[in-house]
Amino acid sequence: GAGVSQSPSNKVTEKGKDVELRCDPISGHTALYWYRQSLGQGLEFLIYFQGNSAPDKSGLPSDRFSAERTGGSVSTLTIQRTQQEDSAVYLCASSRTTGELFFGEGSRLTVL
Amino acid sequence: AQSVTQLGSHVSVSEGALVLLRCNYSSSVPPYLFWYVQYPNQGLQLLLKYTSAATLVKGINGFEAEFKKSETSFHLTKPSAHMSDAAEYFCAVRAAGAGTASKLTFGTGTRLQVTL
Repeated sequence: GAGVSQSPSNKVTEKGKDVELRCDPISGHTALYWYRQSLGQGLEFLIYFQGNSAPDKSGLPSDRFSAERTGGSVSTLTIQRTQQEDSAVYLCASSRTTGELFFGEGSRLTVL
Repeated sequence: AQSVTQLGSHVSVSEGALVLLRCNYSSSVPPYLFWYVQYPNQGLQLLLKYTSAATLVKGINGFEAEFKKSETSFHLTKPSAHMSDAAEYFCAVRAAGAGTASKLTFGTGTRLQVTL
């Protein structure tokens, strides 16, 4: 597809389980972002990949959160030992080096 | 580091009235500035962007924004609100240039309500 693709679109899990969220950016986009949007809240920056540079992980809320970007394309956001406060919509976006961000539809995570 | 402040988490206007959503930025280097809109249950889409060309930027759906360096502002306006404009609006800033220093930082958002 032409846009940013995220999967799963919805994920319900039990507290303490691990989850993986996937993002397929637009082909050729060197920058990839993960944001978190909680109910009624703004966009919380999580992590930013830019080409071959070391990623900016300054927004990851705890060491339970990690992300990888393999081959400069697909990215996976992993949340270990999920907690109820992790429930949110996780948004991925990609862009050319300094261009506008294109967002996916998000992955809605519910931790019971 | 760059940051943006959006004044007013909720704004309500009557249909046909002027829309004004405020955004002030802080940046130690020339910024790129953006407004994004998020309709209910949808992802974000770009409304308009400033990248150091014309200071008055026109976007989609009749919105425009003016970059004012002296006021460090990038307020979003629309002369006449329509019911379909009801959404969440986010201002964002990034540093000009490449590398991880140019990450995009969002404001907390302003929810626009349009009433009859």
